[in-house]
Amino acid sequence: ETGVTQTPRHLVMGMTNKKSLKCEQHLGHNAMYWYKQSAKKPLELMFVYNFKEQTENNSVPSRFSPECPNSSHLFLHLHTLQPEDSALYLCASSQEGSGGAGELFFGEGSRLTVL
Amino acid sequence: ILNVEQSPQSLHVQEGDSTNFTCSFPSSNFYALHWYRWETAKSPEALFVMTLNGDEKKKGRISATLNTKEGYSYLYIKGSQPEDSATYLCASTTDSWGKLQFGAGTQVVVTP
Repeated sequence: ETGVTQTPRHLVMGMTNKKSLKCEQHLGHNAMYWYKQSAKKPLELMFVYNFKEQTENNSVPSRFSPECPNSSHLFLHLHTLQPEDSALYLCASSQEGSGGAGELFFGEGSRLTVL
Repeated sequence: ILNVEQSPQSLHVQEGDSTNFTCSFPSSNFYALHWYRWETAKSPEALFVMTLNGDEKKKGRISATLNTKEGYSYLYIKGSQPEDSATYLCASTTDSWGKLQFGAGTQVVVTP
């Protein structure tokens, strides 16, 4: 099993649809993240979950709703998105809080297209 | 510097040549500097995490240096190979959690 798995890998949705992105990590990490990469832009942090509690919401519009039911799973629920939300959404995990500067382990991403 | 900046945006390297590129980051409240390699259709993979001024890290033919006082890091690739072709991302953070601020990356293409 790969460390961080994201599904689906590709998603096309209309602006009125509701869909979800799923992320699962098999590394025993205690922190999970959603990052967004739009065309020609750097990776942008969206949400951080620490021990299942959301500790960061980087001014993300409410049409993106994260859910972290346990330390291994992370969801991003999508509702009434706009075409400009089309991007690559990357999930990552890390082991934090031990005093180290933990590296991130990324999934392969979910490529979202909003029509 | 308010953002993480990487230069150049892209570079082409002949197989066997060595190359290097730069990451500039905010030096205030610095905690750590990360380097990742991102190959097409794969996930970004961590190369180095550096925290101390003057840090130098090495993995095979790739090495990195860190200057936290002036806010820059260099990544070096010695004797480039086609498999080194990737986008190299750097990111800085002000705490121990993965709230990284990424640069836009340097795309490296190594031609045989």
